[in-house]
Amino acid sequence: GEDVEQSLFLSVREGDSSVINCTYTDSSSTYLYWYKQEPGAGLQLLTYIFSNMDMKQDQRLTVLLNKKDKHLSLRIADTQTGDSAIYFCAGGGSYNTDKLIFGTGTRLQVFP
Amino acid sequence: DGGITQSPKYLFRKEGQNVTLSCEQNLNHDAMYWYRQDPGQGLRLIYYSQIVNDFQKGDIAEGYSVSREKKESFPLTVTSAQKNPTAFYLCASSIISQGRNEQFFGPGTRLTVL
Repeated sequence: GEDVEQSLFLSVREGDSSVINCTYTDSSSTYLYWYKQEPGAGLQLLTYIFSNMDMKQDQRLTVLLNKKDKHLSLRIADTQTGDSAIYFCAGGGSYNTDKLIFGTGTRLQVFP
Repeated sequence: DGGITQSPKYLFRKEGQNVTLSCEQNLNHDAMYWYRQDPGQGLRLIYYSQIVNDFQKGDIAEGYSVSREKKESFPLTVTSAQKNPTAFYLCASSIISQGRNEQFFGPGTRLTVL
């Protein structure tokens, strides 16, 4: 079945850029998503990218998609302490858009 | 305001008891989902429903049950058959259209078995 993998931790200095990476196995995903989870809260949809796009920019967020390598990344420019959270990537399951498969999440810690 | 609500925020259960977690949405979404989150394991799908009076098992349905009698509501019952129910439970809803499935999440319920 579909598998989505992320590194567990990332630590960056305030003001630097953060890059969170994700690899997935199912190339049939039409859309790929990035979610943010703050402590004790639900997930918040940050952005998404359509599978025929290579890049999407939304204010401080840039999503890059390499379909050949099945690699997705989220770049956060000028990272702030408020960006400290867990970030999940997610994609649709094989031939089945009624479910999303979530990665294990990357915990981003921003230090001053 | 439109959104998804879950209640209660914290729930304590004795072993052997069934408990029901509430999930309500006023977004007019057809699809609703229940996930379980354990530390370091991401989200695992328990049950989902695409339409009223119909639902499907997810990856970890054993020990759980759901109902979908109304479009707005998708309650989850954690039964005594669930061996390790202590976890954070998240409900989500979405409209599925042309391959898009943007799921919107509730604030979660933290269940602790005493």
